[in-house]
Amino acid sequence: GQQLNQSPQSMFIQEGEDVSMNCTSSSIFNTWLWYKQEPGEGPVLLIALYKAGELTSNGRLTAQFGITRKDSFLNISASIPSDVGIYFCAGRYIPIQGAQKLVFGQGTRLTINP
Amino acid sequence: DTGVSQDPRHKITKRGQNVTFRCDPISEHNRLYWYRQTLGQGPEFLTYFQNEAQLEKSRLLSDRFSAERPKGSFSTLEIQRTEQGDSAMYLCASSSLVAGNTGELFFGEGSRLTVL
Repeated sequence: GQQLNQSPQSMFIQEGEDVSMNCTSSSIFNTWLWYKQEPGEGPVLLIALYKAGELTSNGRLTAQFGITRKDSFLNISASIPSDVGIYFCAGRYIPIQGAQKLVFGQGTRLTINP
Repeated sequence: DTGVSQDPRHKITKRGQNVTFRCDPISEHNRLYWYRQTLGQGPEFLTYFQNEAQLEKSRLLSDRFSAERPKGSFSTLEIQRTEQGDSAMYLCASSSLVAGNTGELFFGEGSRLTVL
């Protein structure tokens, strides 16, 4: 089945630093999404990307849909304590038959030292 | 309506017992999904409803699992004869037909199951 490789698995940074994480796939997706999940909560959508090469920002967050449609990255600038959490990439594909569904990466756990 | 609602948030049960989780999607969202998330992993697709029709089930959904959405609104996920390997967070998500085309799933807070 389809798999997403997300890296790094964890990051320990100082407040104010920039963060970069990425996701790669062996398969092509037509949509890439980035979610954030905090302990005991469900994932919350941060950014959605719909076209290869697309670069989209949401405040201090910037994400890009790779040209090959097999990868995406997420950058967070000037990190703050509330950025702590687990960030998941997700790829969406439309099978010939069946439901559209998301395939998630393993997550990047972000820890920030004040 | 503030979002997808799941109940209970936490459930501890003994092996062999049956458990049921409920999901109330965002109003007027016709698509409803169940995902399972184990510790340290991303969510994995279990099943999908469009209105009241269950259109797809993952191989992860064994015969002990059953999901329903009888009136096309709320959904239930039942696990019979629970096993320790069933311990996980069960996430519900919904989307509208329009939003579904963009893959924008809105997740609930999840129901965490612990099987002793």
